[in-house]
Amino acid sequence: DSGVTQTPKHLITATGQRVTLRCSPRSGDLSVYWYQQSLDQGLQFLIQYYNGEERAKGNILERFSAQQFPDLHSELNLSSLELGDSALYFCASSTQSADTQYFGPGTRLTVL
Amino acid sequence: AQTVTQSQPEMSVQEAETVTLSCTYDTSENNYYLFWYKQPPSRQMILVIRQEAYKQQNATENRFSVNFQKAAKSFSLKISDSQLGDTAMYFCASQTGANNLFFGTGTRLTVIP
Repeated sequence: DSGVTQTPKHLITATGQRVTLRCSPRSGDLSVYWYQQSLDQGLQFLIQYYNGEERAKGNILERFSAQQFPDLHSELNLSSLELGDSALYFCASSTQSADTQYFGPGTRLTVL
Repeated sequence: AQTVTQSQPEMSVQEAETVTLSCTYDTSENNYYLFWYKQPPSRQMILVIRQEAYKQQNATENRFSVNFQKAAKSFSLKISDSQLGDTAMYFCASQTGANNLFFGTGTRLTVIP
């Protein structure tokens, strides 16, 4: 158990819908990263937050957004869902700069 | 830009034997970190080992060790005394500073009883 929690574990929804994925980092970790793992794109970085502020953006679509709250948990919002958004979404956390990232169990999103 | 290449999509090894997974990377940074993560059928991403680029000594964690060749930009993972529980996808990844991880495409390792 990495100490990073993600909810829900599985999510099944329809095209055009909106979903919210939640992540709670390890105790004391200030940095949260979101990654997407799909069959055709592999593991890709989406976005990073550090202590409530957006730190870096990767291949995140405009339909996707995220935020980190004062209690340091983070949410990833996916809207206008398409079939291609079906993937495993991971959250990872680390204490600060250059520290090892520990991954949550992931949320499996299926868009029908 | 960073790239990470894993040229072995699949490998297999007999239980109790030793196997080496290959990884090459490319970065223009001087200060970076390299990782191997394991993803078993449960899909959880588990840290196996970490190497700081400024350290010449190869990292080891029990049965897992790396061969870090900085000039060649090579970072291979050796698994000794392979166990059935080592069956998983293994991802090589690089990181510079406080930035995100860049992952390779993975190597699927099967340990044969």
